[in-house]
Amino acid sequence: EAEVAQSPRYKITEKSQAVAFWCDPISGHATLYWYRQILGQGPELLVQFQDESVVDDSQLPKDRFSAERLKGVDSTLKIQPAELGDSAMYLCASSLRGAGPNTGELFFGEGSRLTVL
Amino acid sequence: AQSVSQHNHHVILSEAASLELGCNYSYGGTVNLFWYVQYPGQHLQLLLKYFSGDPLVKGIKGFEAEFIKSKFSFNLRKPSVQWSDTAEYFCAVSSLSGGYNKLIFGAGTRLAVHP
Repeated sequence: EAEVAQSPRYKITEKSQAVAFWCDPISGHATLYWYRQILGQGPELLVQFQDESVVDDSQLPKDRFSAERLKGVDSTLKIQPAELGDSAMYLCASSLRGAGPNTGELFFGEGSRLTVL
Repeated sequence: AQSVSQHNHHVILSEAASLELGCNYSYGGTVNLFWYVQYPGQHLQLLLKYFSGDPLVKGIKGFEAEFIKSKFSFNLRKPSVQWSDTAEYFCAVSSLSGGYNKLIFGAGTRLAVHP
């Protein structure tokens, strides 16, 4: 079964350092999502790509976070500088393009757990 | 703005007890509705989904959910839970925004089932 790949699984860093997460979606999935999940809360959408274009980054803290999906396949989420409050699980998900049935279902990766000290 | 509300943050049940987890959403347009589950140490996975048609949806592992449009609700049910159902359950709502599906999650309900 095809899966969404994410790395690293765990990252510990000190505040003010730079951090990067990588995601490879399921082949053929045009839409890619980055979510942040703080312990005890539901996932919060940070950024959504359709192919290589950002279609929603309204909740992305753009002063320190950036995301790219240059060739419309894999994606990188960067935090610079990291702050204590960034400690969370960063989830990547992908879905099929479009608006019809079976295109609203997201497939999630294992996530990247970030701890900022 | 679209939002999802899950009524219970923590639920503790004994095996064989019945389960109902509440979910309400706020959005006036057409929505797709989902329940995702996250077992300990595992990634989020789809439990069931509603796009259209019969408002009573059956998912994996004996779970079902009923969409009540007039109440903006999509409650999850299981007649008899098992220890292996211990997990966190997330209700999610997807709607078209700018031509793209946007999925919003509730805060989750942590279920503990005791043998």
